Amino acid sequence: DIQMTQSPSTLSASVGDRVTITCRASQSISSWLAWYQQKPGKAPKLLIYKASSLQSGVSSRFSGSGSGTEFTLTISSLQPDDFATYYCQQYNSYSTFGQGTKVEIK
Amino acid sequence: QVQLQESGPGLVKPSETLSLTCTVSDASISSYYWNWIRQPPGKGLEWIGYIYYSGSTNYNPSLKSRVTISVDTSKNQFSLKLSSVTAADTAVYYCARSPWGIVVDYWGQGTLVTVSS
Repeated sequence: DIQMTQSPSTLSASVGDRVTITCRASQSISSWLAWYQQKPGKAPKLLIYKASSLQSGVSSRFSGSGSGTEFTLTISSLQPDDFATYYCQQYNSYSTFGQGTKVEIK
Repeated sequence: QVQLQESGPGLVKPSETLSLTCTVSDASISSYYWNWIRQPPGKGLEWIGYIYYSGSTNYNPSLKSRVTISVDTSKNQFSLKLSSVTAADTAVYYCARSPWGIVVDYWGQGTLVTVSS
């Protein structure tokens, strides 16, 4: 099984901050990584696929990078609507998700 | 805009089989990959498996022995069966669409299934 580890688990930030979330895979997954945003009581929303490809309709303040075992999701300027939980997902071998990173208001 | 809607019992007894159906609207099920993903209350996401409209399937190895996903193209629906459930299977179950296999671009709203006697 490929394990996905996100850090930090919780992140406190202010509107306008640049935010970076890290996701590490237990073995190489090439660029087969996606990022999702989830708000309470709602289904997740796809932000990024193939490590760095922005999903259609998603704000360009979201960006993804990385390959192999280390990946990052960056929010360039945090907006009020961005306070949520973020998950990475590997799909190199079956699929596993990270445990989530909650972005909360500082 | 693709819409997905889960339906099925919200309460299942231990050792029984959980059965859910996902109805797809405003899109044909005869393309794409159709997934089930679950989320225990307050916890993270777990991919269960997918079916291609042709009927080929791919399941999470940790659940494979208990999972069956099927598709009914005539009804534009796909279904999940999870056998021998325990309390650990209590979760919100989402049905979802993927253009390429597992990366999901459209989700249902989710349905809570509780396993309890």
